Amino acid sequence: AQKVTQAQTEISVVEKEDVTLDCVYETRDTTYYLFWYKQPPSGELVFLIRRNSFDEQNEISGRYSWNFQKSTSSFNFTITASQVVDSAVYFCALSEPILTGGGNKLTFGTGTQLKVEL
Amino acid sequence: ETGVTQTPRHLVMGMTNKKSLKCEQHLGHNAMYWYKQSAKKPLELMFVYNFKEQTENNSVPSRFSPECPNSSHLFLHLHTLQPEDSALYLCASSQVGLSQETQYFGPGTRLLVL
Repeated sequence: AQKVTQAQTEISVVEKEDVTLDCVYETRDTTYYLFWYKQPPSGELVFLIRRNSFDEQNEISGRYSWNFQKSTSSFNFTITASQVVDSAVYFCALSEPILTGGGNKLTFGTGTQLKVEL
Repeated sequence: ETGVTQTPRHLVMGMTNKKSLKCEQHLGHNAMYWYKQSAKKPLELMFVYNFKEQTENNSVPSRFSPECPNSSHLFLHLHTLQPEDSALYLCASSQVGLSQETQYFGPGTRLLVL
């Protein structure tokens, strides 16, 4: 069975600090996809990034960067120079195919609540 | 409207009521999903519809009844719910078959069962 672990329940930082959110996953699939979503207080899950298992290049998007390491089954997310608007719950997710009928289903971690204070 | 919309945003119902949650996607996708998010629990997949056909039912109790009349609309019919069913119900959609398939979520319906 697939599993996603986000060991950090809550992280508090002061604005402008860098912060890394950890994600460790388990899967028996050789091809899989990993995601990060942001959930602000309004509740909507906002898609941040998708990573294919066969592409281990790290990615940077503005203040966000992601470090995918297949050898350690980790997909960590770093926010550089954090801002108050980054305060949210961040979820890591792993997809697996639905064998009958197609599509994919996501297995989510329990999320990390990030609080960025002035 | 853009993206994925859900109505109502908030719902309070008694255990004997019948209500429905509505989801609409404006992204041209062919698959839709219901997820449940309870306090202190991971998001749980409930149902998946691919081209209007249900492809996944994650052992959801029969008091939750989904309906997908077309690829743009998804309903969740609720009846005789229990207080432990209080949660945030999230709808998502995706384009199955794309190499970069990604699920996009709506804002959710916060449900309180009294």
